[in-house]
Amino acid sequence: QKEVEQDPGPLSVPEGAIVSLNCTYSNSAFQYFMWYRQYSRKGPELLMYTYSSGNKEDGRFTAQVDKSSKYISLFIRDSQPSDSATYLCATLDDYKLSFGAGTTVTVRA
Amino acid sequence: GAGVSQSPSNKVTEKGKDVELRCDPISGHTALYWYRQSLGQGLEFLIYFQGNSAPDKSGLPSDRFSAERTGGSVSTLTIQRTQQEDSAVYLCASSHRLGNTEAFFGQGTRLTVV
Repeated sequence: QKEVEQDPGPLSVPEGAIVSLNCTYSNSAFQYFMWYRQYSRKGPELLMYTYSSGNKEDGRFTAQVDKSSKYISLFIRDSQPSDSATYLCATLDDYKLSFGAGTTVTVRA
Repeated sequence: GAGVSQSPSNKVTEKGKDVELRCDPISGHTALYWYRQSLGQGLEFLIYFQGNSAPDKSGLPSDRFSAERTGGSVSTLTIQRTQQEDSAVYLCASSHRLGNTEAFFGQGTRLTVV
């Protein structure tokens, strides 16, 4: 079993829609949870991270962590064509990032 | 430079040849990490450096893989006797300190073994 599971999609939505992305993880000891965005042929870039359970908002992006169910979510409001990318969830254990498979999102104009 | 720089961007090599991949981390970042991204496996951790030291090499896929870091800066990932299954994007990241939540990735080296 992988440490972080993520549905690879793909996911296609119209511009302005809410994008909802989810991951599950296996190790209850994880405390840091990240979301990365990766454009084609580029390296992943950190969108936001959350410590322990709760919500974190940054502009149109909201990250949620539910440690009781080991569930990580990312919501993108008012999605734009420029949000089209692969989104990767990750957990941090000491020094090692464990990534989900990534979900490819296309926002149609 | 402003970000993590990797070279070459693309590398095509014949099976059995050795390759060297280079990573220039962000200046002042003491921690450096190598990851591999492939279609079947996603992003997998290979090795990390704290300064010039790599305490845990268990993520390296085989003994054909090795890595070093000199001067607390540039790192080189070497793959000897390349195999087709080594074809992947090799990503380097650095952070201000080990385990920092904000690790910055380079654009990767796309390795194709033919």
